[in-house]
Amino acid sequence: EAQVTQNPRYLITVTGKKLTVTCSQNMNHEYMSWYRQDPGLGLRQIYYSMNVEVTDKGDVPEGYKVSRKEKRNFPLILESPSPNQTSLYFCASSWRQTYEQYFGPGTRLTVT
Amino acid sequence: QKEVEQNSGPLSVPEGAIASLNCTYSDRGSQSFFWYRQYSGKSPELIMSIYSNGDKEDGRFTAQLNKASQYVSLLIRDSQPSDSATYLCAVRVYGGSARQLTFGSGTQLTVLP
Repeated sequence: EAQVTQNPRYLITVTGKKLTVTCSQNMNHEYMSWYRQDPGLGLRQIYYSMNVEVTDKGDVPEGYKVSRKEKRNFPLILESPSPNQTSLYFCASSWRQTYEQYFGPGTRLTVT
Repeated sequence: QKEVEQNSGPLSVPEGAIASLNCTYSDRGSQSFFWYRQYSGKSPELIMSIYSNGDKEDGRFTAQLNKASQYVSLLIRDSQPSDSATYLCAVRVYGGSARQLTFGSGTQLTVLP
């Protein structure tokens, strides 16, 4: 089954404790992206990757890091989480020709 | 400036009616346009993509694009209660390194039985 998976689905953590949210896709897509979704602000792009070892900032990259060492994986790293990073996070992937994105199930992160 | 605007709604239509959702964008370099549906608590799901001016139909859904006026719309014919969801418009801007998607904040649609 073609899918994008994210782990964990739910996470409660404390300020400053480093965390990683994993994202994996099995469709051999070149393009992968991370979004956060907040009430009233919609989906905002954090980082995206056009291919292995190629990443770039989206609209709200501050406080986040990403890496793309393998085509299928695109982890999101919060080195020192803060309460304003409490949000619903989505990973997505697509073919680079179309950008028709498939979304993962989401990760609800709470930083206290 | 990459900005995508949608009426937040809520938009209510009776079952069987046509629901019309609109989206405007500010960047004339926009190349690709997408409509996603998002049920409460779920992830966005692609409904339609449109790349050139005019209409594109898929079942009960029709996307309309007018690049001169910088708007894209989604029509849902014979609306069903199962269409009740938030509809997100997304725009891809191509230019330099700005090959990224920008989403509108969504329009909440309720189809009344």
